[in-house]
Amino acid sequence: EVQLVESGGGLVQPGGSLRLSCAASGFSVSDNYMTWVRQAPGKGLEWVSIIYSGGGTYYADSVKGRFTISRDNSKNTLYLQVNSLRGEDTAVYYCARGADAGGMDVWGQGTTVTVSS
Amino acid sequence: QSVLTQPPSVSGAPGQRVTISCTGSSSNIGAGYDVHWYQQSPGTAPKLLIYGYSNRPSGVPDRFSGSKSGTSASLAITGLQAEDEADYYCQSYDSSLSGVLFGGGTKLTVL
Repeated sequence: EVQLVESGGGLVQPGGSLRLSCAASGFSVSDNYMTWVRQAPGKGLEWVSIIYSGGGTYYADSVKGRFTISRDNSKNTLYLQVNSLRGEDTAVYYCARGADAGGMDVWGQGTTVTVSS
Repeated sequence: QSVLTQPPSVSGAPGQRVTISCTGSSSNIGAGYDVHWYQQSPGTAPKLLIYGYSNRPSGVPDRFSGSKSGTSASLAITGLQAEDEADYYCQSYDSSLSGVLFGGGTKLTVL
């Protein structure tokens, strides 16, 4: 079964860091582009970062310089290192697989990051 | 700023047809990048509904259809059902951002 399972969220103080993980099963994270998308409470979807099969990475301006996307092919896991966290980073973070035909066809259940003192 | 603009809300009675628009610009939809649509019910992850403007993944009813015109795209839902009540998001790629772009989302209410 094709599946994504996120973990690593939690409550963190402003300025703190977390590493979010997204474990894949049923496919290889290196075969497709993978993305992180977040959703603040009561708000819409916001794209955060993308890593292409070739390794290229891109970030939304709101997180550039603070977040780092990566993957471990041996563990078939996608990561998002989130540093210098701010209140506005509070959100549910989803990882998603890029479909060959377009769009994001597999999503995880999400992991919640709360930034508060 | 590059944005995809959607109406905040739409509504319709069971059995009716509704459309949701997604207006972009020359750096995204107008540049020829594909538009995809997602459905999100409360407390759940988004689900891919339409990809490449008008294609449905396996399992998505043919009541859902997508189209494009110029710098805009539209999602149409016919034969509205109570289970269609959800938030709907369009998504494309933006060349000026070098990244993915989501619309602000549209809440569909089935009356």
